[in-house]
Amino acid sequence: EVQLVESGGGLVQPGGSLRLSCAASGFSFSNHWMSWVRQAPGKGLEWVATIKSDGSEKSYVDSVKGRFTISRDNAQNSLYLQMNSLRAEDTALYFCARGRVNNDYWGQGTLVTVSS
Amino acid sequence: QSALTQPPSASGSPGQSVTISCTGTSSDVGAYNYVSWYQQHPDKAPKLMIYEVTKRPSGVPDRFSGSKSGNTASLTVSGLQAEDEADYYCCSHAGSNNFVVFGGGTKLTVL
Repeated sequence: EVQLVESGGGLVQPGGSLRLSCAASGFSFSNHWMSWVRQAPGKGLEWVATIKSDGSEKSYVDSVKGRFTISRDNAQNSLYLQMNSLRAEDTALYFCARGRVNNDYWGQGTLVTVSS
Repeated sequence: QSALTQPPSASGSPGQSVTISCTGTSSDVGAYNYVSWYQQHPDKAPKLMIYEVTKRPSGVPDRFSGSKSGNTASLTVSGLQAEDEADYYCCSHAGSNNFVVFGGGTKLTVL
């Protein structure tokens, strides 16, 4: 059974940092692109970042470029999102998802709240 | 990286059909056959319903179908059932650098 379990969310002050993790199991993690998608409270889905199966290609939505870094450890079947210089508008539920555009499996999300 | 345009709401009675549109540009929806649709029930993770414009993942009822014409993709739900009431999002590949863009979402109400 495919499972994606996010962790690392929490309350952080503006300008602070957080590192999100996503533990994958039940499939060959190293063969799949992976993505982070977020959803602000009461709002729609927003793609955040995507990383190729071997980590050689990464892409980001403009609003997080230079502040967020997506990475992966295929030996540990884990996906990460390092978030720096956090802003109030980054407050959202962050989902880890398998795939690039065709996200066929999703985690339950980890909540990030940026507030003073 | 502008969001795709979806109607905020749609509705239909049980058994009826409803179509949700998703309008993009010649740089995203119009340029690639990489349009997907997601269903999201309240407080749940999104679920992939359609990928690559017309394909259905295993387990998704054939009441759900997708299509595309020019810069507009569509999701049709036939034989509406109560459990189809949810938010629906379209998504498209959006050019070089592997950009991805979502639509704003459509709340489907089964009357």
